[in-house]
Amino acid sequence: NAGVTQTPKFRVLKTGQSMTLLCAQDMNHEYMYWYRQDPGMGLRLIHYSVGEGTTAKGEVPDGYNVSRLKKQNFLLGLESAAPSQTSVYFCASNDGSRVVKLFFGSGTQLSVL
Amino acid sequence: AQSVTQLGSHVSVSEGALVLLRCNYSSSVPPYLFWYVQYPNQGLQLLLKYTSAATLVKGINGFEAEFKKSETSFHLTKPSAHMSDAAEYFCAVTNSGAGSYQLTFGKGTKLSVIP
Repeated sequence: NAGVTQTPKFRVLKTGQSMTLLCAQDMNHEYMYWYRQDPGMGLRLIHYSVGEGTTAKGEVPDGYNVSRLKKQNFLLGLESAAPSQTSVYFCASNDGSRVVKLFFGSGTQLSVL
Repeated sequence: AQSVTQLGSHVSVSEGALVLLRCNYSSSVPPYLFWYVQYPNQGLQLLLKYTSAATLVKGINGFEAEFKKSETSFHLTKPSAHMSDAAEYFCAVTNSGAGSYQLTFGKGTKLSVIP
């Protein structure tokens, strides 16, 4: 049982380039989330999804887009990367209950030069 | 919206000493509160949760936290620190919106354990 898998684990981009981060979960969870983690800032929610075909904005959505075409996958896209998007990105999932036990992936370290 | 504040971005304790990591919450309704732990180069994992069933909550690895409404606090404690406890700890609170629930995290407290 793999849980939540993120690819890639590391990536370096030049300013203006685009990329997609993939998150896959095998727990049949309804809810999926993308967070970014920056030193001294904790985790901030970028976008989330409450089910296949749905997405919603979180706290810091600007510069990112997401898609949830399949229940098990949640994609995070950067159309035109900026140095301010240098961060560690985490995907997480849960079953949608108020007792929010999140299952996290191991993260993607992204550097934008 | 509910929020949490963690006091102290970095805490150092000696091995065997008491661990106390502080978290205060701001909530207009009874909150659901959580502590998550992040070991180096890993994602976060749930340590313990408060869902109003009991004010003293026990978690994994000997950690516990006490919900104190009068102090709006949910501090994390462990009687005796072990080297393996060195990690970053995040307090979090459930927020709801548009029929869904999300977690709002504090900024984290990095725990160092000195041999």
